[in-house]
Amino acid sequence: QKEVEQDPGPLSVPEGAIVSLNCTYSNSAFQYFMWYRQYSRKGPELLMYTYSSGNKEDGRFTAQVDKSSKYISLFIRDSQPSDSATYLCAMSRNQGGKLIFGQGTELSVKP
Amino acid sequence: EAGVVQSPRYKIIEKKQPVAFWCNPISGHNTLYWYRQNLGQGPELLIRYENEEAVDDSQLPKDRFSAERLKGVDSTLKIQPAELGDSAVYLCASSLETSAIYNEQFFGPGTRLTVL
Repeated sequence: QKEVEQDPGPLSVPEGAIVSLNCTYSNSAFQYFMWYRQYSRKGPELLMYTYSSGNKEDGRFTAQVDKSSKYISLFIRDSQPSDSATYLCAMSRNQGGKLIFGQGTELSVKP
Repeated sequence: EAGVVQSPRYKIIEKKQPVAFWCNPISGHNTLYWYRQNLGQGPELLIRYENEEAVDDSQLPKDRFSAERLKGVDSTLKIQPAELGDSAVYLCASSLETSAIYNEQFFGPGTRLTVL
């Protein structure tokens, strides 16, 4: 069993929809939770990070961490075609440590 | 400010041949990472450097992979000899150690390796 599980999709939604992306994990030692976006033929870029539990909002994006359930989510409101990419969750136990990534979910937002 | 630079962007080789990838991190970043990303998967760490020192190389297949970061700036990852299963995207990332809660890892565009 992988430490981090993520539904690979693909996920296709119409423009303006609310998108929900999720990951589960097994290692209770994880303290940092990140969401990366990766466009085709590009490296991952950080969207949001959360330290420990709680919610974090940045514009159209909201990240949630539920450590009791070992479950993290990313919500995208008013999705745009430019949001079409692969979304990777990632976690680490400590500052600067190695990131453990999920498989990535491929998202397509149709105009 | 320039991001993480990697070269070459694409490489096609035959199995058993050697190959090398080069990475120049963001200026001033003391920590450098090499990740491998297989098709349809998330990246997996191969090695992490803090300045010149490799502080985590537990996932590096040392029988055929080697890496160096001379002078604590740019880095080279080498595979010799390459196998079919080495086909993947090799990503380099860097970060700057600060007192912030989280020090972001910035990724380069990667080198896409195809082994025939």
